[in-house]
Amino acid sequence: ILNVEQSPQSLHVQEGDSTNFTCSFPSSNFYALHWYRWETAKSPEALFVMTLNGDEKKKGRISATLNTKEGYSYLYIKGSQPEDSATYLCAFIRGSTLGRLYFGRGTQLTVWP
Amino acid sequence: GAGVSQSPSNKVTEKGKDVELRCDPISGHTALYWYRQSLGQGLEFLIYFQGNSAPDKSGLPSDRFSAERTGGSVSTLTIQRTQQEDSAVYLCASSLGSPSGSDTQYFGPGTRLTVL
Repeated sequence: ILNVEQSPQSLHVQEGDSTNFTCSFPSSNFYALHWYRWETAKSPEALFVMTLNGDEKKKGRISATLNTKEGYSYLYIKGSQPEDSATYLCAFIRGSTLGRLYFGRGTQLTVWP
Repeated sequence: GAGVSQSPSNKVTEKGKDVELRCDPISGHTALYWYRQSLGQGLEFLIYFQGNSAPDKSGLPSDRFSAERTGGSVSTLTIQRTQQEDSAVYLCASSLGSPSGSDTQYFGPGTRLTVL
């Protein structure tokens, strides 16, 4: 069993707050780390694919960092908006099973206006 | 262009019946994946197809589950003799090339299966 852990499980913030979540994964046999956003009744939407230790990715107000040596990634949202409300999923890919995503259970974010 | 589509969006069935779930990947994508999310669980890998290669079936939970991909495009996931624990959201995804760690997988909206 390959454990991908995400914390917190859920988060409620006010509009304008900045927030961050954590994804931890096995540091051995690492290949890539994916972040997705999944809004209710929609398809999961790809945010980032990260492959290198120290990678930093940014898309608008959302950014992510990666530490493969210690096995964690942070996702940051600056100035949260109600439309950011969604479940944020991370998924790990290991070198021996390329293409197969191992998902965490997600962090459910609710942004109150 | 069109994204990944799945049908039906919802399916309610009785225990013991067979069901078929359909996935239409993005045109030109050679890799296709099936995942499911049971209540309170994370997304769980089921199977993936790459071109004409033998599929990786290692995630299928039992021999009641099978999948095929016809003509390198549309895929059907079949569950025989459904059980209540099969109730889940079944998601299909596709990606452009050979399964690789850096290929983005594009997901469909899912089929919500409820087994009574």
